[in-house]
Amino acid sequence: DVKVTQSSRYLVKRTGEKVFLECVQDMDHENMFWYRQDPGLGLRLIYFSYDVKMKEKGDIPEGYSVSREKKERFSLILESASTNQTSMYLCASSFGGPTYNEQFFGPGTRLTVL
Amino acid sequence: QKEVEQDPGPLSVPEGAIVSLNCTYSNSAFQYFMWYRQYSRKGPELLMYTYSSGNKEDGRFTAQVDKSSKYISLFIRDSQPSDSATYLCAMSNQGGSEKLVFGKGTKLTVNP
Repeated sequence: DVKVTQSSRYLVKRTGEKVFLECVQDMDHENMFWYRQDPGLGLRLIYFSYDVKMKEKGDIPEGYSVSREKKERFSLILESASTNQTSMYLCASSFGGPTYNEQFFGPGTRLTVL
Repeated sequence: QKEVEQDPGPLSVPEGAIVSLNCTYSNSAFQYFMWYRQYSRKGPELLMYTYSSGNKEDGRFTAQVDKSSKYISLFIRDSQPSDSATYLCAMSNQGGSEKLVFGKGTKLTVNP
């Protein structure tokens, strides 16, 4: 079974704090993704990575950075958390290549910034 | 016009009903079409995947793609309370699965 795990299910942080969200997959997938999910806005892509140390901006990268030092781990970093970053954060992974490959999602981290 | 439009519902049906969920899109380059199911407090999971136009059936679920109308549908026959979830359509114009564009999701409740 493919497993994508996220470090926390619920997280509460203060405005201005640096926040790390960790994602680990155990299927040797090349691609990893970070999304945020908000009511009325759906899933929006923040960043994705094709390979170790590779990263590409998604649709809403402002205020976020990412790190991929190992193939199985993809971290999302909020350099200075703000209240408008309160959201559900979802990590996903998939095999790479030119053909369609399913994205597998983790359970999500619900982040509240006070 | 948004790239992918999906009616958020909520949609409430009695057990056994046929459910129809739909998305429209504006980007004619989309070739890969997916339906994800998301239970409350869980991550989305792939339900159906279709390449280009046509129908695909899997048990009680049927996915349809009409590229000429830029319209995709998911039908659920003999709906069950366990089908209660949010259904997300997603699409991509590339062979790889990166850069999926998601609809906002339709929340479905099937009442026993």
